[in-house]
Amino acid sequence: DIQLTQSPSSLSASVGGRVTITCRASQNISSYLNWYQQKPGKAPKFLIYASSSLQFGVPSRFSGSGSGTDFTLTISSLQPEDFATYYCQQSYSNPYTFGQGTKLEIK
Amino acid sequence: EVQLVESGGGLVQPGGSLRLSCAASGFTFSNYWMHWVRQAPGKGLMWVSHINGDGTSTTYADSVRGRFTISRDNAKNSLYLQMNSLRAEDTAAYYCARDFPRSAWSFDYWGQGALVTVSS
Repeated sequence: DIQLTQSPSSLSASVGGRVTITCRASQNISSYLNWYQQKPGKAPKFLIYASSSLQFGVPSRFSGSGSGTDFTLTISSLQPEDFATYYCQQSYSNPYTFGQGTKLEIK
Repeated sequence: EVQLVESGGGLVQPGGSLRLSCAASGFTFSNYWMHWVRQAPGKGLMWVSHINGDGTSTTYADSVRGRFTISRDNAKNSLYLQMNSLRAEDTAAYYCARDFPRSAWSFDYWGQGALVTVSS
């Protein structure tokens, strides 16, 4: 199975700030990397697919990059509604594994 | 509007069975692969199973293979997960999710989740 390791596991930031979350795969997954946002008690929300493509309706302050084994999710100009847990997920091979999550909290 | 609504969760004893349902609306259900993803309390996400549009192809995570069965009824726009021989470690919120056609094996719409608790 492909393991995804996110860093950091948690971070705090201020409204208006910028954060970057990293996801590292245990093997080359090309660009088959997706990102989700989850708020407490809610289902995950699909943000980014194929490493850098923004899902329809997702604000442009979200961006993704990377290929191979190293990927990043960047949120610029943080808004209050962005404070949540973020997960990466690989769609390269079955089983379609997720990272352990990064909890983004308000500073 | 795409909607996925799970039902059938609850408390079950170890070794017991439960069947989850997911009612889909707002899209042509038979055209899409569908998935089940679960999340243990306070933990991360784990893909469980998927099924193709006509129900002829299924795949499972190792931890549930042989105990869980995914199925669908396209006439009823419904997805199912039959869970047998349940264990305490199967306790989780179970989400049905639609496969995103532009990037296969990613999940663009999710249900609200059905909570399954396995405990004596």
